[in-house]
Amino acid sequence: KQEVTQIPAALSVPEGENLVLNCSFTDSAIYNLQWFRQDPGKGLTSLLLIQSSQREQTSGRLNASLDKSSGRSTLYIAASQPGDSATYLCAVKTGGSYIPTFGRGTSLIVHP
Amino acid sequence: ETGVTQTPRHLVMGMTNKKSLKCEQHLGHNAMYWYKQSAKKPLELMFVYNFKEQTENNSVPSRFSPECPNSSHLFLHLHTLQPEDSALYLCASSQTGTNSYNEQFFGPGTRLTVL
Repeated sequence: KQEVTQIPAALSVPEGENLVLNCSFTDSAIYNLQWFRQDPGKGLTSLLLIQSSQREQTSGRLNASLDKSSGRSTLYIAASQPGDSATYLCAVKTGGSYIPTFGRGTSLIVHP
Repeated sequence: ETGVTQTPRHLVMGMTNKKSLKCEQHLGHNAMYWYKQSAKKPLELMFVYNFKEQTENNSVPSRFSPECPNSSHLFLHLHTLQPEDSALYLCASSQTGTNSYNEQFFGPGTRLTVL
Protein backbone atom coordinates (compact mmCIF):
# COMPACT_ATOMS: atom_id res chain seq x y z
CA LYS A 1 0.00 0.00 0.00
CA GLN A 2 1.39 3.36 -1.03
CA GLU A 3 2.11 5.82 1.79
CA VAL A 4 2.90 9.47 1.18
CA THR A 5 4.60 11.70 3.74
CA GLN A 6 5.15 15.43 3.56
CA ILE A 7 7.75 17.22 5.61
CA PRO A 8 7.61 19.71 7.20
CA ALA A 9 3.98 19.83 8.27
CA ALA A 10 4.17 23.59 8.70
CA LEU A 11 6.59 26.28 7.63
CA SER A 12 6.75 30.01 8.30
CA VAL A 13 9.27 32.12 6.42
CA PRO A 14 9.93 35.77 5.60
CA GLU A 15 9.17 37.05 2.16
CA GLY A 16 11.88 36.53 -0.44
CA GLU A 17 13.23 33.21 0.81
CA ASN A 18 13.70 30.21 -1.47
CA LEU A 19 11.81 27.19 -0.13
CA VAL A 20 11.92 23.44 -0.48
CA LEU A 21 8.91 21.29 0.37
CA ASN A 22 9.38 17.55 0.55
CA CYS A 23 7.20 14.62 -0.41
CA SER A 24 8.26 11.00 0.07
CA PHE A 25 6.51 7.81 -0.99
CA THR A 26 7.03 4.16 -0.13
CA ASP A 27 6.24 2.42 -3.43
CA SER A 28 8.53 3.60 -6.22
CA ALA A 29 6.39 2.02 -8.97
CA ILE A 30 4.56 5.27 -9.52
CA TYR A 31 2.68 6.44 -12.58
CA ASN A 32 2.85 10.15 -11.81
CA LEU A 33 3.10 12.65 -8.99
CA GLN A 34 1.04 15.81 -8.75
CA TRP A 35 1.60 18.90 -6.58
CA PHE A 36 -1.43 20.94 -5.50
CA ARG A 37 -2.04 24.17 -3.69
CA GLN A 38 -5.03 24.65 -1.38
CA ASP A 39 -6.14 27.96 0.09
CA PRO A 40 -8.16 27.77 3.33
CA GLY A 41 -11.67 26.41 2.76
CA LYS A 42 -11.12 26.13 -0.98
CA GLY A 43 -10.56 23.37 -3.50
CA LEU A 44 -7.21 22.12 -4.73
CA THR A 45 -5.40 23.85 -7.57
CA SER A 46 -3.03 21.74 -9.64
CA LEU A 47 0.46 23.22 -9.76
CA LEU A 48 2.66 20.66 -11.47
CA LEU A 49 2.34 17.09 -12.72
CA ILE A 50 5.43 14.92 -13.15
CA GLN A 51 5.20 11.69 -15.11
CA SER A 52 7.24 8.72 -13.93
CA SER A 53 9.60 9.13 -16.90
CA GLN A 54 10.35 12.77 -16.06
CA ARG A 55 12.86 14.21 -13.61
CA GLU A 56 11.38 17.66 -13.14
CA GLN A 57 8.74 20.17 -14.18
CA THR A 58 8.83 23.95 -13.98
CA SER A 59 6.15 26.60 -13.89
CA GLY A 60 7.15 30.17 -13.16
CA ARG A 61 8.79 30.30 -9.72
CA LEU A 62 7.92 26.66 -9.04
CA ASN A 63 10.10 23.68 -9.81
CA ALA A 64 9.21 20.12 -8.90
CA SER A 65 11.70 17.27 -9.08
CA LEU A 66 11.18 13.53 -8.91
CA ASP A 67 13.59 10.81 -7.81
CA LYS A 68 11.74 7.52 -8.04
CA SER A 69 14.61 5.38 -6.81
CA SER A 70 14.76 7.22 -3.51
CA GLY A 71 10.98 7.73 -3.33
CA ARG A 72 11.15 11.50 -3.17
CA SER A 73 9.83 14.63 -4.79
CA THR A 74 10.63 18.20 -3.89
CA LEU A 75 8.76 21.39 -4.68
CA TYR A 76 11.07 24.37 -4.91
CA ILE A 77 9.53 27.84 -4.57
CA ALA A 78 11.83 30.67 -5.55
CA ALA A 79 11.61 34.17 -4.06
CA SER A 80 8.57 33.41 -1.91
CA GLN A 81 5.75 35.95 -1.63
CA PRO A 82 2.91 36.39 0.89
CA GLY A 83 0.53 35.22 -1.84
CA ASP A 84 2.25 31.84 -1.76
CA SER A 85 0.77 31.23 1.70
CA ALA A 86 -1.36 28.09 1.43
CA THR A 87 -1.24 24.36 2.06
CA TYR A 88 0.74 22.37 -0.49
CA LEU A 89 -0.21 18.74 -1.10
CA CYS A 90 1.42 16.06 -3.14
CA ALA A 91 -0.47 13.11 -4.59
CA VAL A 92 1.04 9.95 -6.02
CA LYS A 93 -0.57 7.61 -8.52
CA THR A 94 0.85 4.12 -8.46
CA GLY A 95 1.11 2.14 -11.66
CA GLY A 96 -2.07 0.25 -12.49
CA SER A 97 -4.35 2.54 -10.50
CA TYR A 98 -5.82 5.91 -11.35
CA ILE A 99 -6.60 6.58 -7.70
CA PRO A 100 -4.05 8.90 -6.07
CA THR A 101 -2.65 8.71 -2.56
CA PHE A 102 -2.39 12.10 -0.90
CA GLY A 103 0.02 13.37 1.70
CA ARG A 104 -1.19 15.43 4.65
CA GLY A 105 0.26 18.61 3.19
CA THR A 106 2.67 21.34 4.22
CA SER A 107 1.07 24.50 5.57
CA LEU A 108 3.13 27.47 4.38
CA ILE A 109 3.00 31.02 5.70
CA VAL A 110 5.09 33.69 4.02
CA HIS A 111 5.09 36.86 6.06
CA PRO A 112 5.96 40.31 4.71
CA GLU B 1 -18.46 27.43 -17.06
CA THR B 2 -15.03 25.88 -17.15
CA GLY B 3 -13.24 23.23 -15.15
CA VAL B 4 -15.06 21.55 -12.29
CA THR B 5 -17.99 23.27 -10.59
CA GLN B 6 -19.74 22.34 -7.36
CA THR B 7 -23.04 23.50 -5.86
CA PRO B 8 -23.94 24.57 -3.33
CA ARG B 9 -20.74 26.13 -2.00
CA HIS B 10 -22.06 26.14 1.56
CA LEU B 11 -24.73 23.96 3.16
CA VAL B 12 -26.10 23.82 6.68
CA MET B 13 -28.44 20.97 7.45
CA GLY B 14 -30.05 19.25 10.39
CA MET B 15 -29.52 15.59 11.10
CA THR B 16 -32.96 14.64 9.78
CA ASN B 17 -32.68 16.55 6.50
CA LYS B 18 -32.07 15.17 3.04
CA LYS B 19 -29.90 17.17 0.69
CA SER B 20 -27.75 16.63 -2.39
CA LEU B 21 -24.40 17.95 -3.51
CA LYS B 22 -23.81 18.44 -7.21
CA CYS B 23 -20.62 18.35 -9.24
CA GLU B 24 -20.20 19.03 -12.93
CA GLN B 25 -17.04 18.81 -15.00
CA HIS B 26 -16.58 20.60 -18.34
CA LEU B 27 -13.27 18.95 -19.23
CA GLY B 28 -14.44 15.90 -21.14
CA HIS B 29 -13.04 13.56 -18.51
CA ASN B 30 -14.33 10.06 -17.89
CA ALA B 31 -13.57 9.64 -14.19
CA MET B 32 -15.06 11.57 -11.27
CA TYR B 33 -14.25 11.45 -7.57
CA TRP B 34 -15.76 12.48 -4.23
CA TYR B 35 -13.38 13.37 -1.39
CA LYS B 36 -14.00 14.40 2.20
CA GLN B 37 -11.66 16.82 3.93
CA SER B 38 -12.09 17.26 7.68
CA ALA B 39 -10.13 19.63 9.85
CA LYS B 40 -6.70 18.29 10.80
CA LYS B 41 -7.15 15.16 8.66
CA PRO B 42 -5.77 14.19 5.27
CA LEU B 43 -7.94 14.09 2.21
CA GLU B 44 -10.18 10.98 2.27
CA LEU B 45 -11.32 9.36 -0.95
CA MET B 46 -15.01 8.41 -0.77
CA PHE B 47 -16.15 7.26 -4.20
CA VAL B 48 -14.79 6.91 -7.71
CA TYR B 49 -16.75 6.61 -10.93
CA ASN B 50 -15.14 5.63 -14.20
CA PHE B 51 -17.34 5.83 -17.31
CA LYS B 52 -20.38 6.21 -15.01
CA GLU B 53 -19.59 2.96 -13.18
CA GLN B 54 -18.70 3.06 -9.51
CA THR B 55 -15.26 1.54 -9.17
CA GLU B 56 -14.41 2.51 -5.63
CA ASN B 57 -16.38 2.80 -2.41
CA ASN B 58 -13.98 3.48 0.38
CA SER B 59 -16.10 2.00 3.20
CA VAL B 60 -18.35 5.03 3.24
CA PRO B 61 -21.48 4.90 5.48
CA SER B 62 -24.75 4.36 3.65
CA ARG B 63 -26.03 7.80 4.70
CA PHE B 64 -23.87 9.00 1.78
CA SER B 65 -25.27 7.86 -1.56
CA PRO B 66 -23.49 8.77 -4.80
CA GLU B 67 -25.09 9.01 -8.21
CA CYS B 68 -23.38 9.42 -11.58
CA PRO B 69 -25.95 9.76 -14.39
CA ASN B 70 -23.27 10.54 -17.00
CA SER B 71 -19.55 11.22 -17.22
CA SER B 72 -20.05 14.96 -16.65
CA HIS B 73 -22.24 14.94 -13.57
CA LEU B 74 -21.80 13.51 -10.10
CA PHE B 75 -24.12 13.82 -7.12
CA LEU B 76 -23.76 13.00 -3.45
CA HIS B 77 -27.10 12.42 -1.74
CA LEU B 78 -27.08 13.01 2.00
CA HIS B 79 -29.57 11.79 4.60
CA THR B 80 -29.61 11.44 8.39
CA LEU B 81 -26.08 12.79 8.70
CA GLN B 82 -24.16 13.18 11.95
CA PRO B 83 -22.35 16.27 13.22
CA GLU B 84 -19.02 14.53 12.58
CA ASP B 85 -19.89 14.51 8.87
CA SER B 86 -19.31 18.27 8.82
CA ALA B 87 -16.43 18.81 6.41
CA LEU B 88 -15.38 20.19 3.05
CA TYR B 89 -16.58 17.86 0.28
CA LEU B 90 -14.48 18.02 -2.83
CA CYS B 91 -15.22 16.73 -6.29
CA ALA B 92 -12.51 15.99 -8.83
CA SER B 93 -12.25 14.62 -12.34
CA SER B 94 -9.55 13.13 -14.51
CA GLN B 95 -9.06 11.38 -17.80
CA THR B 96 -8.09 7.75 -17.38
CA GLY B 97 -6.37 5.58 -19.93
CA THR B 98 -2.92 4.49 -20.98
CA ASN B 99 -2.32 7.54 -23.16
CA SER B 100 -3.50 10.19 -20.72
CA TYR B 101 -1.73 11.97 -17.93
CA ASN B 102 -4.45 11.23 -15.36
CA GLU B 103 -4.05 14.73 -14.00
CA GLN B 104 -6.75 15.50 -11.44
CA PHE B 105 -8.74 18.71 -11.44
CA PHE B 106 -10.72 19.74 -8.39
CA GLY B 107 -13.83 21.78 -7.82
CA PRO B 108 -14.05 24.54 -5.18
CA GLY B 109 -15.77 22.27 -2.69
CA THR B 110 -18.97 22.36 -0.64
CA ARG B 111 -18.59 23.35 3.00
CA LEU B 112 -21.11 21.20 4.87
CA THR B 113 -22.18 21.84 8.43
CA VAL B 114 -24.45 19.33 10.17
CA LEU B 115 -26.26 20.66 13.22
